[in-house]
Amino acid sequence: GEEVAQTPKHLVRGEGQKAKLYCAPIKGHSYVFWYQQVLKNEFKFLISFQNENVFDETGMPKERFSAKCLPNSPCSLEIQATKLEDSAVYFCASSQSAGDTEAFFGQGTRLTVV
Amino acid sequence: EDKVVQSPLSLVVHEGDTVTLNCSYEVTNFRSLLWYKQEKKAPTFLFMLTSSGIEKKSGRLSSILDKKELFSILNITATQTGDSAVYLCALRRNRDDKIIFGKGTRLHILP
Repeated sequence: GEEVAQTPKHLVRGEGQKAKLYCAPIKGHSYVFWYQQVLKNEFKFLISFQNENVFDETGMPKERFSAKCLPNSPCSLEIQATKLEDSAVYFCASSQSAGDTEAFFGQGTRLTVV
Repeated sequence: EDKVVQSPLSLVVHEGDTVTLNCSYEVTNFRSLLWYKQEKKAPTFLFMLTSSGIEKKSGRLSSILDKKELFSILNITATQTGDSAVYLCALRRNRDDKIIFGKGTRLHILP
């Protein structure tokens, strides 16, 4: 597609429940980034992929967060046993691999943990 | 530690004014500097800067990079209420392609 597609737009989960977010990058883009934005504050980097390979996962809370980018499927970010502080907008961005290229963002998934 | 510092954090001006937003950075392995505008939802891409001294322009917006002094500015002339948004500066590193964001400048244009 011509834009980064994130689903769902909104997700409400009770504390302790699982949340799964999806991101379809722009066709032809091989880099995918996940960011967490809490209350319109700074973007916190979570993880990046180059195709289906984890490129950088230094921002991921290892215990409850996991992510995948499998061939022919949207990328996913999963949070097990959600906590109140996981409430945020989760943005996905994609960019081409070669050269100096910009990253394009999806519309985000607003996760509310109650 | 690599970082991006934006100033001011917030700015309120009247329609028609010109504003300059600042972004300074520290990075071990620079690839590019990116500017985004975030209104209600997703950041929308404005500019990508890789070389010093070359101004990028789009309508009333322009931006320039100084790789020696490690900063960039985003200028908006003849501001309009539709320019109200958070403007984000981000740095892309060469060694791992990681994009690091500043905290943004919240710009509010009064009619």
